[in-house]
Amino acid sequence: GENVEQHPSTLSVQEGDSAVIKCTYSDSASNYFPWYKQELGKRPQLIIDIRSNVGEKKDQRIAVTLNKTAKHFSLHITETQPEDSAVYFCAATGPLEYGNKLVFGAGTILRVKS
Amino acid sequence: GAGVSQTPSNKVTEKGKYVELRCDPISGHTALYWYRQSLGQGPEFLIYFQGTGAADDSGLPNDRFFAVRPEGSVSTLKIQRTERGDSAMYLCASSLQGLGTGELFFGEGSRLTVL
Repeated sequence: GENVEQHPSTLSVQEGDSAVIKCTYSDSASNYFPWYKQELGKRPQLIIDIRSNVGEKKDQRIAVTLNKTAKHFSLHITETQPEDSAVYFCAATGPLEYGNKLVFGAGTILRVKS
Repeated sequence: GAGVSQTPSNKVTEKGKYVELRCDPISGHTALYWYRQSLGQGPEFLIYFQGTGAADDSGLPNDRFFAVRPEGSVSTLKIQRTERGDSAMYLCASSLQGLGTGELFFGEGSRLTVL
């Protein structure tokens, strides 16, 4: 089955700097890659996603890139703000015949220092 | 018009007891998922329903865990003979499309503590 690895496990940046979180996946048939943000004590919420027919997607200060050949995808946050501090999870899922479950990475704790 | 609702928000029980956790998905969402999240870890898939049927229950750890969704809306996760290792946050999510191509909307979770 699918296996998703996420790095780093913790990341501290200064306010205004950029943050990059990287994930690798094992199943070349995976075709949907969302990123979720989970604030302390809150539910995970989708912040951006990308499908396998697209190499990059951007939404204001966040962007995601996908390299299908290398089987990795990354989250980029620019001009970080204190409210970006949270745990970020990447996830992957494959085509219908593989089941519809998202497989999540272990998470990255992002701390933005002001 | 609320989001995914889960009850109870907290459950403390003793080892060996039976527990039920309830999930009320967003109205109209045909897909419903149960995940388990331990401290410092990502959500771990348990089971996925499309309508009333369990389309994928490959994540249930053993036969002490069972889930139902009899009318295609509310779902109940049932844990028999609870063990301390079952302690975790149990998250429910629903999705409009349910084909791995739509956003999962998570509930606030039910935190289970087995003493």
